[in-house]
Amino acid sequence: AQTVTQSQPEMSVQEAETVTLSCTYDTSESDYYLFWYKQPPSRQMILVIRQEAYKQQNATENRFSVNFQKAAKSFSLKISDSQLGDAAMYFCAYRRTGTASKLTFGTGTRLQVTL
Amino acid sequence: DTAVSQTPKYLVTQMGNDKSIKCEQNLGHDTMYWYKQDSKKFLKIMFSYNNKELIINETVPNRFSPKSPDKAHLNLHINSLELGDSAVYFCASSQDVGAGNEQFFGPGTRLTVL
Repeated sequence: AQTVTQSQPEMSVQEAETVTLSCTYDTSESDYYLFWYKQPPSRQMILVIRQEAYKQQNATENRFSVNFQKAAKSFSLKISDSQLGDAAMYFCAYRRTGTASKLTFGTGTRLQVTL
Repeated sequence: DTAVSQTPKYLVTQMGNDKSIKCEQNLGHDTMYWYKQDSKKFLKIMFSYNNKELIINETVPNRFSPKSPDKAHLNLHINSLELGDSAVYFCASSQDVGAGNEQFFGPGTRLTVL
């Protein structure tokens, strides 16, 4: 079974600084997708960034980028120039390719942004 | 315009009651999902439907019954509610069953069973 591990229950970053959230996963599949979702206090789940496993280039979306290390099964999220609005729970998620595959989430990292 | 909507947002009920949560998406998506988020924020898939057909059914008690009258709606009915059913339930949708598709989530329904 696939598992997703987020070893940092809480992280804190100062406004305008950079923070990296860790995620590792376990799978025997070679083709899959990895995601980071954000859940602010409003409870709404929002996709931050996604990565396809066969693409070696790390995905970037504005201030958000990932460090995807397929051999190490690691998928960390880097947030640059942190803003107060980045404060949220961040969930790493995995989904293998296939029509009946499910999205498997990690336990989440709560990010605090301080002034 | 709300993409994925759920009603109600909050639901407080007694043990043993039966309740339903409704979900609607106006994105024209083919695939819809129900997730449960427990008190520790752990999020887990319950069901997935594609074009009104059940494609994922996790190990969920059969007191939980999803119903998809059309591909824009996926409702969740829960019989004989138990204390352990207290959680936030999220509905989501995606364009189709493609694994790389973004899933769009509703605002969640916080269910409290007393």
